[in-house]
Amino acid sequence: TQLLEQSPQFLSIQEGENLTVYCNSSSVFSSLQWYRQEPGEGPVLLVTVVTGGEVKKLKRLTFQFGDARKDSSLHITAAQPGDTGLYLCAGNTGGFKTIFGAGTRLFVKA
Amino acid sequence: DSGVTQTPKHLITATGQRVTLRCSPRSGDLSVYWYQQSLDQGLQFLIQYYNGEERAKGNILERFSAQQFPDLHSELNLSSLELGDSALYFCASSPRGQTGNTIYFGEGSWLTVV
Repeated sequence: TQLLEQSPQFLSIQEGENLTVYCNSSSVFSSLQWYRQEPGEGPVLLVTVVTGGEVKKLKRLTFQFGDARKDSSLHITAAQPGDTGLYLCAGNTGGFKTIFGAGTRLFVKA
Repeated sequence: DSGVTQTPKHLITATGQRVTLRCSPRSGDLSVYWYQQSLDQGLQFLIQYYNGEERAKGNILERFSAQQFPDLHSELNLSSLELGDSALYFCASSPRGQTGNTIYFGEGSWLTVV
């Protein structure tokens, strides 16, 4: 069974702190996406990574795809209350099914 | 706004009943996905259609069925509803449904079974 494990499950930090969330699997993914979901809304795509070792930056967010394409990380610098939400990683192994992790619930206190 | 439209946004129904959730994908997208999200299960893939045909199946119960129509909109039918079916049901779409395709989510349909 393909599985994407995200850690930590829950993170509560102060505004201005840095944080990293992780997405790990024993499977190799042809692509991996990160989404952010706010309460009562659908997940919104943040980034797609496809190449092993790839690093993408989106303002204060840095995404990295592992060299073996089995894992990924999301680093947020100087977190703000607006970053609060559920962060989901999703992987595709080359078939037509995208697998989602259970998510990391981030709360940034002002 | 992702461009994916789902109706209804909220639905309350009794156990044993049947409901239909509707989805209009983004203009031009051929692939439609259905996901179920509950507090204890996370986001679970149910089923995917591509240009009217079933492409992939996930953890979809036999009491549930879906279809994609020629105009590419999709419906998810949930029957013999149980309390445990209460969840947020998302429809999503992508251009082709192939590897690396970005999936765009609707705002979801909240189903409460009482």
